[in-house]
Amino acid sequence: SAVISQKPSRDICQRGTSLTIQCQVDSQVTMMFWYRQQPGQSLTLIATANQGSEATYESGFVIDKFPISRPNLTFSTLTVSNMSPEDSSIYLCSVRIAQGYNSPLHFGNGTRLTVT
Amino acid sequence: AQSVAQPEDQVNVAEGNPLTVKCTYSVSGNPYLFWYVQYPNRGLQFLLKYITGDNLVKGSYGFEAEFNKSQTSFHLKKPSALVSDSALYFCAVSSLNNAGNMLTFGGGTRLMVKP
Repeated sequence: SAVISQKPSRDICQRGTSLTIQCQVDSQVTMMFWYRQQPGQSLTLIATANQGSEATYESGFVIDKFPISRPNLTFSTLTVSNMSPEDSSIYLCSVRIAQGYNSPLHFGNGTRLTVT
Repeated sequence: AQSVAQPEDQVNVAEGNPLTVKCTYSVSGNPYLFWYVQYPNRGLQFLLKYITGDNLVKGSYGFEAEFNKSQTSFHLKKPSALVSDSALYFCAVSSLNNAGNMLTFGGGTRLMVKP
């Protein structure tokens, strides 16, 4: 497995501001993903972070709201822009270490965001 | 489209008793099935997976899961529950037919093991 470090672990932010979340992996990985877990809910995929190109966003998520960077194979950032209370969630970075559709995802500990 | 259902929001069991957390799925093609556990203030931890082969798969912490193709189920089980097993459990599915190979998660089941 890999060690996945997310920063910050939690934050309280004011409406209208932006927060950038960092995800660092201790080994090179091909695929990195960002998930959102709203209070009491399951995980929803925001986007796939592609190294060297624009992220691939899922339906309902747009680059202007959730810009993502992936400068190399071990690091990615997710920015939550112009935040509103509805953005209060846990944001999770995940990676697939092994190639193939049947390999599991591994997750960071998440960033718990509260927007006031 | 693929989907996962976890019909129970919460499962309560006494320590030492067997536990079952239910999961049913819907995919086109052969499924790849996963169970994850989430402890408070932590990310998800991978428990076990079914890809092919034996219907009973064994995973971490004494957990196992049984794949039943006819019932499209993948229930998580443990013969003897521990208080430390109390956590949130997620079932997830993927398949070769799923473009981009994304995992779809169920809604989660909170397991409460009482001493």
